[in-house]
Amino acid sequence: DGGITQSPKYLFRKEGQNVTLSCEQNLNHDAMYWYRQDPGQGLRLIYYSQIVNDFQKGDIAEGYSVSREKKESFPLTVTSAQKNPTAFYLCASRLAGLTYNEQFFGPGTRLTVL
Amino acid sequence: AQKITQTQPGMFVQEKEAVTLDCTYDTSDQSYGLFWYKQPSSGEMIFLIYQGSYDEQNATEGRYSLNFQKARKSANLVISASQLGDSAMYFCAISPLAGNNRKLIWGLGTSLAVNP
Repeated sequence: DGGITQSPKYLFRKEGQNVTLSCEQNLNHDAMYWYRQDPGQGLRLIYYSQIVNDFQKGDIAEGYSVSREKKESFPLTVTSAQKNPTAFYLCASRLAGLTYNEQFFGPGTRLTVL
Repeated sequence: AQKITQTQPGMFVQEKEAVTLDCTYDTSDQSYGLFWYKQPSSGEMIFLIYQGSYDEQNATEGRYSLNFQKARKSANLVISASQLGDSAMYFCAISPLAGNNRKLIWGLGTSLAVNP
């Protein structure tokens, strides 16, 4: 089955620690995205990547880092510089092309800082 | 800049009835797309329906249809014959269709509860 997997589903972190969230897709999609969702809020874009070895900052990139070494993988690191990292993190991918191409989402990772 | 406004924080509907979820948008792009997603309590975002700014017909997808009024900048989602499984958060989003970015800008969502 094609899809997007995110792991872990729940993650707990102590203050001051870096943590990496995994996102893998086997849809052969070109573009990948990381979003953050806080309670009662819509999604906010953290980082996105349109091709391997290239990525751009979204609207709230401070305190986060990403890499795109393989087409199918786009891990997100939440660093200790992120002041309020407790949130729900969603990864998405999209097939780049001429038409609109909706974004497909993974199941999400819920990060809690203790 | 693009913006999405969803003015209904919460909605209730009786099972088997139709419900309309409102979405208004603001954009300076000539070519754009409007998306609706469903987010059940599990958290995953599920794509429902898409409307392009140049599409002359309203989009339909099963029980979902879009009431697209371009002059009023609205793209309301209509769910017909509501089912208990439709209880979820619903998000409207907009994206430019020109260029490679295709960033989605999201509204704050509407929580829909379907009553038996």
